[in-house]
Amino acid sequence: AQSVTQPDIHITVSEGASLELRCNYSYGATPYLFWYVQSPGQGLQLLLKYFSGDTLVQGIKGFEAEFKRSQSSFNLRKPSVHWSDAAEYFCAVGAGSYIPTFGRGTSLIVHP
Amino acid sequence: EAQVTQNPRYLITVTGKKLTVTCSQNMNHEYMSWYRQDPGLGLRQIYYSMNVEVTDKGDVPEGYKVSRKEKRNFPLILESPSPNQTSLYFCASTGGQGYGYTFGSGTRLTVV
Repeated sequence: AQSVTQPDIHITVSEGASLELRCNYSYGATPYLFWYVQSPGQGLQLLLKYFSGDTLVQGIKGFEAEFKRSQSSFNLRKPSVHWSDAAEYFCAVGAGSYIPTFGRGTSLIVHP
Repeated sequence: EAQVTQNPRYLITVTGKKLTVTCSQNMNHEYMSWYRQDPGLGLRQIYYSMNVEVTDKGDVPEGYKVSRKEKRNFPLILESPSPNQTSLYFCASTGGQGYGYTFGSGTRLTVV
């Protein structure tokens, strides 16, 4: 069975600092991997996805993620965080994009 | 604009009173899904549908029904709601493998 772990429930960073959100997955083959962002009162928005090819994936809003098969990880990064990045971030894994399993989310707090 | 539309956004109801949350997408997507989001538990899939008249249970289907009579619509039915179904519900659709989901804005349901 597939599963996703986001080890950090909350992450606090200062505006302008770099960010890394961790995601570890369990899946028998090369999975489809996704990061979503949820702003307060909103639905989830797809940031980026990976299913083959270059292991460093670029997404929207200046985010990127790197797939590391040896570590079963798909960490999300951003070089310089803006106050508007404060939100809940979800990692998801699936055999296909239509039956993904979501992590429990990481809440990002940005200090001015 | 490509979107998933859910209605209503907010609903307060009493135990046992049947209700339907509507979901419609305008992207001609085959795959649609319902999730519930609870604090500390992330998103859990209730039901999904791979095409018209094809639906299947997700991780937490008890107490819910769905139907897919048309490609664009995927209503969620609670025939006898109970307080443990108080939650934030999301409908989502995807065009298929590797595309990721497009989410609706959510329905906050309170059952008293």
